[in-house]
Amino acid sequence: QVQLVQSGSELKKPGASVRVSCEASGYTLSRHSINWVRQAPGQGLEWMGWIDTNTGNPTYARDFTGRFVFSLDTSVNTAYLQINSLKVEDTAVYYCARDLAIGRLDPWGQGTLVTVSS
Amino acid sequence: QSALTQPASVSGSPGQSITISCTGTSSDVGSYNYVSWYQQHPGKAPKLMIYDVSNRPSGVSNRFSGSKSGNTASLTISGLQAEDEADYYCNSYTSSSTLVFGGGTKLTVL
Repeated sequence: QVQLVQSGSELKKPGASVRVSCEASGYTLSRHSINWVRQAPGQGLEWMGWIDTNTGNPTYARDFTGRFVFSLDTSVNTAYLQINSLKVEDTAVYYCARDLAIGRLDPWGQGTLVTVSS
Repeated sequence: QSALTQPASVSGSPGQSITISCTGTSSDVGSYNYVSWYQQHPGKAPKLMIYDVSNRPSGVSNRFSGSKSGNTASLTISGLQAEDEADYYCNSYTSSSTLVFGGGTKLTVL
């Protein structure tokens, strides 16, 4: 069945970098864009942006420009989110989600908890 | 882009119907029929319940329905069941070619 499987939890120090993977199974990654969504502890969902899985062109929401990088490796059907210069406030669960058509996000990955602490 | 406005919480008894509103602007909800709703149980990933304002994905109960009037979209759950207790989020496409989520609504089944 179609699913997105994300990498495991990460514990990082401020200033470090982290890369979260999102492997698609049951379909070819390049058929649908991948969106990234952040959920801070006890908070709501924040749309981070999306990556065109045909061209590799990323689009970032206003609050996620600069330190956040979306990328792909279509040879392994996987999308990636890299966060550089981590801050304590980046502590959150990060989700990837397939975009079937404008804003129709289905399915979602299981989420990856990134904890940033000194 | 500001978050769409949802009530923080709603509640209802089993068997009743509830409606969750999602208010945006003429730059998002009011201009596009690209409003989706997601259900999230604690510790779980969100699940798509409604897309394009009123369409249900395969496998989603017909107790869930969506509508829109002007800048406000709504999710209605009829015949409330205990398993409907969860957080619900709306999202909409925007005139900036981005998506924006609502702040989320906690549904309590009494």
